[in-house]
Amino acid sequence: ETGVTQSPTHLIKTRGQQVTLRCSSQSGHNTVSWYQQALGQGPQFIFQYYREEENGRGNFPPRFSGLQFPNYSSELNVNALELDDSALYLCASSLLPGPGPHEAFFGQGTRLTVV
Amino acid sequence: GDSVTQMEGPVTLSEEAFLTINCTYTATGYPSLFWYVQYPGEGLQLLLKATKADDKGSNKGFEATYRKETTSFHLEKGSVQVSDSAVYFCALRENTGTASKLTFGTGTRLQVTL
Repeated sequence: ETGVTQSPTHLIKTRGQQVTLRCSSQSGHNTVSWYQQALGQGPQFIFQYYREEENGRGNFPPRFSGLQFPNYSSELNVNALELDDSALYLCASSLLPGPGPHEAFFGQGTRLTVV
Repeated sequence: GDSVTQMEGPVTLSEEAFLTINCTYTATGYPSLFWYVQYPGEGLQLLLKATKADDKGSNKGFEATYRKETTSFHLEKGSVQVSDSAVYFCALRENTGTASKLTFGTGTRLQVTL
């Protein structure tokens, strides 16, 4: 079974640009969530995709958007980048719904630096 | 809304010392509780979990017990090793069907020295 993989691992962008981050979910998982982890902080929930639909969103502006594809992989898009968007972006996959804790498995993250 | 509060770090211990990292939570429902660990330059790894009151999660010598009466989920290990040096995150998730949002604490950095 393959784990969660994210690409790229590191990225440098200029303020105002747009960026796309990618995530391949763990085999058999149908749900992908994205988190932003600023330096020295805990991860903050951005949004979740379940069966290609967004079904939960945190306190992030609309310039943060996403997609989930039929194979359950996902993209995170951020428009009009700001310096404060510099962070580690984590993708997590899980299998929903049903009983159990539905534990989330995380990728290694993409380190985004906005200059 | 939901929130998780962890003791601030860094926590510095000598090898073989006893570890406790405190975690308390606020939730509207009856959440599942987790501890994740993050090694330098890496993503998050699930360390242990508990889904109901009085459950004890355990893994790699770490333990945590779900205490509903005190809304706590403190992480303990009897004898830490240098290899345990990492950042530890306490997290909760409300069990609401197809939602799987995790709410994290700010993390506690553990440094273990020889």
